[in-house]
Amino acid sequence: GQSLEQPSEVTAVEGAIVQINCTYQTSGFYGLSWYQQHDGGAPTFLSYNGLDGLEETGRFSSFLSRSDSYGYLLLQELQMKDSASYFCAVRDTGRRALTFGSGTRLQVQP
Amino acid sequence: DTGVSQDPRHKITKRGQNVTFRCDPISEHNRLYWYRQTLGQGPEFLTYFQNEAQLEKSRLLSDRFSAERPKGSFSTLEIQRTEQGDSAMYLCASSRDRGQETQYFGPGTRLLVL
Repeated sequence: GQSLEQPSEVTAVEGAIVQINCTYQTSGFYGLSWYQQHDGGAPTFLSYNGLDGLEETGRFSSFLSRSDSYGYLLLQELQMKDSASYFCAVRDTGRRALTFGSGTRLQVQP
Repeated sequence: DTGVSQDPRHKITKRGQNVTFRCDPISEHNRLYWYRQTLGQGPEFLTYFQNEAQLEKSRLLSDRFSAERPKGSFSTLEIQRTEQGDSAMYLCASSRDRGQETQYFGPGTRLLVL
C-alpha cells in the first residue's frame, strides 16, 4: 500500500517563505505531485517531480529525494491568496491513479 | 475553470436512492479519473478510464458504484442504494496521454445522503 505524511497546518505571514514537507511510503514510486485547493474549489496542479532535485515554477518550487522518500513544496513571497490546502500525491509505477496525502492547510496572515 | 465540467454541482438524496453524476473532460484528454473527497482529507481514487476502457478500480469501490465512459468522452458515475457514508465530494479529473502527471479537476459534485 501507500501512505503519505504531511503537516496538517502551517501558518506564515505575507511575504515570507514556507516549506511544506511530504514523506511517503509506496511499493513502486513513479513521481510526486503537488496540488493546491482553495476552500470550496477543485484541486489545481502545481508541480511534479519524477527525478531527484528541484523544480521551480514562479514563486513555487518543489523538491524530491527518492532515496529519502521525501519531498517538499516551497512557497516564496507569500500572498494572502496562497491561503489554501496543499496536497502531495504519489503515483506508483504501472498505475495511473494518484494517492493523495491528507493535506496541509496553509494560513497566510497579514 | 479548468475545462472539466461536472453535473450536478450539488445533490441531496435520501438513503437507499440511486444517484448518477456526469463528468465532461477536456475534449482532447484520453484519460479520465473519478475521486471522492471528504472534509479534511485528500481526494481518494475511485476509478480510471483510458478512452472508453475502465482500466483501474479502487478496492474502495463497492458493488454499489459503477462508472462508464461509453464513447470515450463524457463519463457517468452511478451510486445505487446510497448510504449516509457516501456523502462526499465526487471529483472528476482528466489528463492527456503525454504530460499525464497533470490532472485537471472539475468543480465536483457534492452529495449529501440523508
